[in-house]
Amino acid sequence: KQEVTQIPAALSVPEGENLVLNCSFTDSAIYNLQWFRQDPGKGLTSLLLIQSSQREQTSGRLNASLDKSSGRSTLYIAASQPGDSATYLCAVEPGTYKYIFGTGTRLKVLA
Amino acid sequence: DAGITQSPRHKVTETGTPVTLRCHQTENHRYMYWYRQDPGHGLRLIHYSYGVKDTDKGEVSDGYSVSRSKTEDFLLTLESATSSQTSVYFCAISSPGGTNTGELFFGEGSRLTVL
Repeated sequence: KQEVTQIPAALSVPEGENLVLNCSFTDSAIYNLQWFRQDPGKGLTSLLLIQSSQREQTSGRLNASLDKSSGRSTLYIAASQPGDSATYLCAVEPGTYKYIFGTGTRLKVLA
Repeated sequence: DAGITQSPRHKVTETGTPVTLRCHQTENHRYMYWYRQDPGHGLRLIHYSYGVKDTDKGEVSDGYSVSRSKTEDFLLTLESATSSQTSVYFCAISSPGGTNTGELFFGEGSRLTVL
């Protein structure tokens, strides 16, 4: 059974710091991996989608990488800002269109 | 933003009553999903649909049923609500094909409280 883990569960950093969020999964046979942001009381916003043939995706200050063989993905946030404070979730899709989610990392960026 | 509307957004009901949550999309996406989100458990798939009248169970489907009579609407029904079904329910959509095939988009959520 595929399991997705995100460590740490919570993280506080000063504004301006570059940071890395981690996502690990137990079964390397995945098709897609997607990173989301969730603000309190809100739905999930898609940040980046990495498909099986890709190793990374970039959007603005965000870069996500995928290493299927090691069962890991990282989300890199450059020059963090207080507006980046949110919960970040990763999810893997094993080719069945059913995504499996991690429990997220709650990020707080201090001004 | 993906055109996904969930209704109602908030509902308080009593144990034993039926509840229906509605998800409406304007994106013509083939796949639709219902997830629940609970502290300590993250997001868990309840049911999903891969086309009109085509549905299947997720990992936490007991006590829930779904229906999809039109591409744009996916209904989640709790036949007899229990306190353990107090949660935030999210609808999501995705589609095969295209540049970002399978990308998942979410609605704003429906908060259900069962007393």
